[in-house]
Amino acid sequence: GAVVSQHPSWVICKSGTSVKIECRSLDFQATTMFWYRQFPKQSLMLMATSNEGSKATYEQGVEKDKFLINHASLTLSTLTVTSAHPEDSSFYICSAGMTSGAHEQFFGPGTRLTVL
Amino acid sequence: KQEVTQIPAALSVPEGENLVLNCSFTDSAIYNLQWFRQDPGKGLTSLLLIQSSQREQTSGRLNASLDKSSGRSTLYIAASQPGDSATYLCAVEGGATNKLIFGTGTLLAVQP
Repeated sequence: GAVVSQHPSWVICKSGTSVKIECRSLDFQATTMFWYRQFPKQSLMLMATSNEGSKATYEQGVEKDKFLINHASLTLSTLTVTSAHPEDSSFYICSAGMTSGAHEQFFGPGTRLTVL
Repeated sequence: KQEVTQIPAALSVPEGENLVLNCSFTDSAIYNLQWFRQDPGKGLTSLLLIQSSQREQTSGRLNASLDKSSGRSTLYIAASQPGDSATYLCAVEGGATNKLIFGTGTLLAVQP
């Protein structure tokens, strides 16, 4: 399958700071990228869908001004958690996919965010 | 609203056993269904993808079936090994979007 990377793999920050997470599709051009968060012992919850060159579509209950998503190219999407607070501590996972064919999504290894 | 449920939530089996994981979904209008594996603290590894027109997919010791009309999928793991221990997630993609809705997961432990 296709390879998706995330950077950083983990990050610890102080409350009130902003953190940027990068998601890259390494060997294919992804028309769509998705951002998920996962709390301990829970399943993945979709936060937003981003298409290259357009604004992200956020799921209900996700603050777009807090979770800024940029999808500047077909291989890179970024998620910025602004003014992070301890309740934002979570495992953030991105995926990249195509809108044609089988619509298979390929997932990154995730980023563990801990806000002190 | 699509809801995806997985049963059982946790399963412990001795090495060598064949086992079945279940996934059910409430809206049969799906584009595809995927099974994933997640190791602790890691991302997701795609195991099998079944398109809505298909009934099953096989990869090695894994076989996944799909019954859209009843809203069910099963993942069959043959001759389980300790290395199969992980959380298994199923996810369905709705017909109108690329969004994946994830199930609650099954935590599998294969005892040596």
